[in-house]
Amino acid sequence: EIVLTQPPGTLSLSPGERASLSCRASQSVASSNLAWYQQKPGQAPRLLIYGASSRATDIPDRFSGSGSGTDFTLTITRLEPEDFAVYYCQQYGSSPFTFGPGTKVDIK
Amino acid sequence: QVHLVESGGGLVKPGESLRLSCAASGFDFSDYFMTWIRQAPGKGLEWVSYIHSRSSYTDYADSVKGRFTISRDNAKNSLYLQMNNLRADDTAVYYCARGRYSPFWGQGTLVTVSS
Repeated sequence: EIVLTQPPGTLSLSPGERASLSCRASQSVASSNLAWYQQKPGQAPRLLIYGASSRATDIPDRFSGSGSGTDFTLTITRLEPEDFAVYYCQQYGSSPFTFGPGTKVDIK
Repeated sequence: QVHLVESGGGLVKPGESLRLSCAASGFDFSDYFMTWIRQAPGKGLEWVSYIHSRSSYTDYADSVKGRFTISRDNAKNSLYLQMNNLRADDTAVYYCARGRYSPFWGQGTLVTVSS
């Protein structure tokens, strides 16, 4: 099973700042099969990125994904008020398709 | 428009069983892998199980293997999760989602296991 870690657990930033969120895998993720989701309280997760770097439909271009192998990054270039949420990475290259524990981006 | 609606959640005692359903619409259900994912109260997302589009392959998280069974009925555009021998740590909102990764999720159904 591939274990994903997402340090740090919480990122405190101000609107307008740049956010870089990390996702590290215990072994290489096949074919960069890594996705990023955003979740707000009381809502289902929203897909942001798939294939490590492809933006999902209707996702603003301030969200971008990068990385390969065991190290991946979600970057939000300028935080908008609606971006404060929890972000999860998920690998879907090797079953079980595990999720990371999440990084909460909160307002500083 | 893709729509996924889970049902079947509720309050059960440890050791009891429950069957969740997910009704799909707005896409050709038989063409897609389908997945169950859960989220315990205040916790992160946990992948539970997936099933191949033609039911030829399934897999489970170690935490549910041997107790949960995923199935689908492509004629009814429906996904199921049979949950047996439920434990307190199975308490969660259960989501169905389309694909191995998914832009489409249901609203979730709450399963509470408590004596």
